[in-house]
Amino acid sequence: EPEVTQTPSHQVTQMGQEVILRCVPISNHLYFYWYRQILGQKVEFLVSFYNNEISEKSEIFDDQFSVERPDGSNFTLKIRSTKLEDSAMYFCASLEGKTREQYFGPGTRLTVT
Amino acid sequence: GEDVEQSLFLSVREGDSSVINCTYTDSSSTYLYWYKQEPGAGLQLLTYIFSNMDMKQDQRLTVLLNKKDKHLSLRIADTQTGDSAIYFCAESFGNEKLTFGTGTRLTIIP
Repeated sequence: EPEVTQTPSHQVTQMGQEVILRCVPISNHLYFYWYRQILGQKVEFLVSFYNNEISEKSEIFDDQFSVERPDGSNFTLKIRSTKLEDSAMYFCASLEGKTREQYFGPGTRLTVT
Repeated sequence: GEDVEQSLFLSVREGDSSVINCTYTDSSSTYLYWYKQEPGAGLQLLTYIFSNMDMKQDQRLTVLLNKKDKHLSLRIADTQTGDSAIYFCAESFGNEKLTFGTGTRLTIIP
């Protein structure tokens, strides 16, 4: 069964460093998303991406964040200069468009020290 | 604005039915979802319902939607130990973002 994959599963970085979180959405899906979940809290929307551009972003998604779909399969989230409060689980999701089933990857746990 | 609320905890005896409740504020939601999150894992889509439906059944899962009261519930029949997890309800407007509830931690009592 097709699934969304994410790498790495765990990333530890120092404050101020850049990180890139990678996702491979399901191959025939057209809509892509990033969410984050701070430990013990609800899942929060960051950004959605369709037709090679951002379709919506939240207040969390400030100038430190960017997304890219560099080729036909990968979807990346870059945090330019990480802060302690960026520590969270980051989930990628994708949706085909014909159905309303948004599938999530297993997540990348980002720890900023 | 969008706000989705759930009770934080629910304990159920093995073999009984579990009912997890959710309320939402935005009446223009078009789809309502239930996701399951096991410890340390991602979000597994369980089921979803279109806002013009009242009920949807899928094996042991039954979703009930009361659009007038903006109330969504998930019933799990014959609850098993493998059902222990956090259950999130979420709402969306088609292909747009999901807005999640706070999550309900379901604990199964043997």
